[in-house]
Amino acid sequence: AQTVTQSQPEMSVQEAETVTLSCTYDTSESDYYLFWYKQPPSRQMILVIRQEAYKQQNATENRFSVNFQKAAKSFSLKISDSQLGDAAMYFCAYRSARTGGFKTIFGAGTRLFVKA
Amino acid sequence: GAGVSQSPSNKVTEKGKDVELRCDPISGHTALYWYRQRLGQGLEFLIYFQGNSAPDKSGLPSDRFSAERTGESVSTLTIQRTQQEDSAVYLCASSLEFGRVAKEDGYTFGSGTRLTVV
Repeated sequence: AQTVTQSQPEMSVQEAETVTLSCTYDTSESDYYLFWYKQPPSRQMILVIRQEAYKQQNATENRFSVNFQKAAKSFSLKISDSQLGDAAMYFCAYRSARTGGFKTIFGAGTRLFVKA
Repeated sequence: GAGVSQSPSNKVTEKGKDVELRCDPISGHTALYWYRQRLGQGLEFLIYFQGNSAPDKSGLPSDRFSAERTGESVSTLTIQRTQQEDSAVYLCASSLEFGRVAKEDGYTFGSGTRLTVV
């Protein structure tokens, strides 16, 4: 079974600085998708960025980028120029690309604090 | 609709009562998912629907939990004889799927129902 591990329960960053959130996963599959979701106090999960395992190039979405290391099964999220609105819970997630594999598995989350 | 809608937003119930939680997915989204999030924890998968069938209900924690879906529309999660450990936020998500292989898109989530069993 696949697992997703986020080893940092909490992280803190100064406004305008850069922070990296860690995520590792375990799978025997070769084709899958990885995601980072943000959950602000409103509770609604928002998709931040996604990565397809067969793509070597790291995904980037504005101030958000990932460092995808497939061999190491690592998928970290880098937030540049941190803003107060980035404060939230961040969840790393895994989804199989095999036939019928629709379920997404989430890590335990990392709470990010942004200091003014 | 424009987004995934869940109701009620908050529900307080007495231990032993039954509750129904509702999810209205994005129109046209064939797949629907229920997750449970206990306080300060990650998301725990409960059940997945493709259309109105549930190919994966492996996450339902006990036979007190059941869910149904009408066509590719509304889903209801029912918890019978609620217990205090059922207190959590119940999140619903939907996605557009074709065939039997997941697309690379992520889910669209609702804002959840916070259930408190007293």
